[in-house]
Amino acid sequence: GGIITQTPKFLIGQEGQKLTLKCQQNFNHDTMYWYRQDSGKGLRLIYYSITENDLQKGDLSEGYDASREKKSSFSLTVTSAQKNEMAVFLCASRGLGGRGEQYFGPGTRLTVL
Amino acid sequence: GDSVTQKEGLVTLTEGLPVMLNCTYQTIYSNAFLFWYVHYLNESPRLLLKSSTDNKRTEHQGFHATLHKSSSSFHLQKSSAQLSDSALYYCALSPSNNNNAPRFGAGTKLSVKP
Repeated sequence: GGIITQTPKFLIGQEGQKLTLKCQQNFNHDTMYWYRQDSGKGLRLIYYSITENDLQKGDLSEGYDASREKKSSFSLTVTSAQKNEMAVFLCASRGLGGRGEQYFGPGTRLTVL
Repeated sequence: GDSVTQKEGLVTLTEGLPVMLNCTYQTIYSNAFLFWYVHYLNESPRLLLKSSTDNKRTEHQGFHATLHKSSSSFHLQKSSAQLSDSALYYCALSPSNNNNAPRFGAGTKLSVKP
């Protein structure tokens, strides 16, 4: 089996700060995703990447940048943290195209002071 | 575009009662896959079950769901709720023949009380 790791587990930032979240997977999956989880709003897609060096915007891409440095890693940057923002960011990966299940990481919990 | 609707944000049940979490969807793709993911507190979300076959019951870990394309539904059911079923449940849709990202519903929090 494989695993997805996300670093850091907890991230505390200041208003206006640029913050970077990292995700690594060893499934050898082609596609990776970043989601934001807010209570009552489900999993909202920020960015995804079909293959190395590919980037696709999701519904919530404004205010974020992403980078797929290599097949196994996918980074997300909050370009300017918003005061009092709190959310969990989940990374996922998937093989087998549309019929495959997604595998999720444990999440990064962001708090902006 | 594709969409998934989970109308109930919170479902509270007494242990032993049946569970039914609703999921309806809209898609232009005839061979879309429907998924149920479960997210327990302090764990990663994981797949509970999936289906793309019309009118076929899919089961896993005591839960079951049947995809009904005529009504665009994929409701999650269990005959008897357990305390350990308390979690967040997401319904998701994915076209089977392209690389579009899956579309998730808003999620339903299931709270099972003694």
